Amino acid sequence: GESVGLHLPTLSVQEGDNSIINCAYSNSASDYFIWYKQESGKGPQFIIDIRSNMDKRQGQRVTVLLNKTVKHLSLQIAATQPGDSAVYFCAEPRTALIFGKGTTLSVSS
Amino acid sequence: NAGVTQTPKFQVLKTGQSMTLQCAQDMNHNSMYWYRQDPGMGLRLIYYSASEGTTDKGEVPNGYNVSRLNKREFSLRLESAAPSQTSVYFCASQTEPNTEAFFGQGTRLTVV
Repeated sequence: GESVGLHLPTLSVQEGDNSIINCAYSNSASDYFIWYKQESGKGPQFIIDIRSNMDKRQGQRVTVLLNKTVKHLSLQIAATQPGDSAVYFCAEPRTALIFGKGTTLSVSS
Repeated sequence: NAGVTQTPKFQVLKTGQSMTLQCAQDMNHNSMYWYRQDPGMGLRLIYYSASEGTTDKGEVPNGYNVSRLNKREFSLRLESAAPSQTSVYFCASQTEPNTEAFFGQGTRLTVV
């Protein structure tokens, strides 16, 4: 069965708001996760990753939080912009790279 | 760097026709993947190749075959296309497990 899953299929926010996209995983042995962004008509692109020895990792306007106790990770986007509108996937690259279904983020001005 | 290149970008097939989707990467990556993406279904793994000379089934392998021709190239073949294979197909590569994967731009396939 699916090893990673996203909580909500869609998320709508206003420009300037902070966005939080959630993902749950089932394998407690999972030790590495990646968030990808897929814009319309394009292939997924790497945003940020996190290893299990970390609880938090920050990039430019993005933060990933990992809660190993409840097997949950989240992607936070600060000051969301219209260009952030896309589908976001969490992925667990074990033997093969397995994706969740994705959350569609819509940003309105 | 071109990264991951897929050809063709668009294709229309009639039911029963065959075709091969091509994928090439120039990053010297060991692992390569083929996914299909359908509305509301996310990315589903069809086949993958962990290294040159090896291939393994993913979640949805039925109706497909693959060939890891060399380290650079990983092709996906539909022997007898069916309307259920209408989808967007993505190829990806990564240097090794537990690292970032890079994706091609996709092939939009329609089977009528």
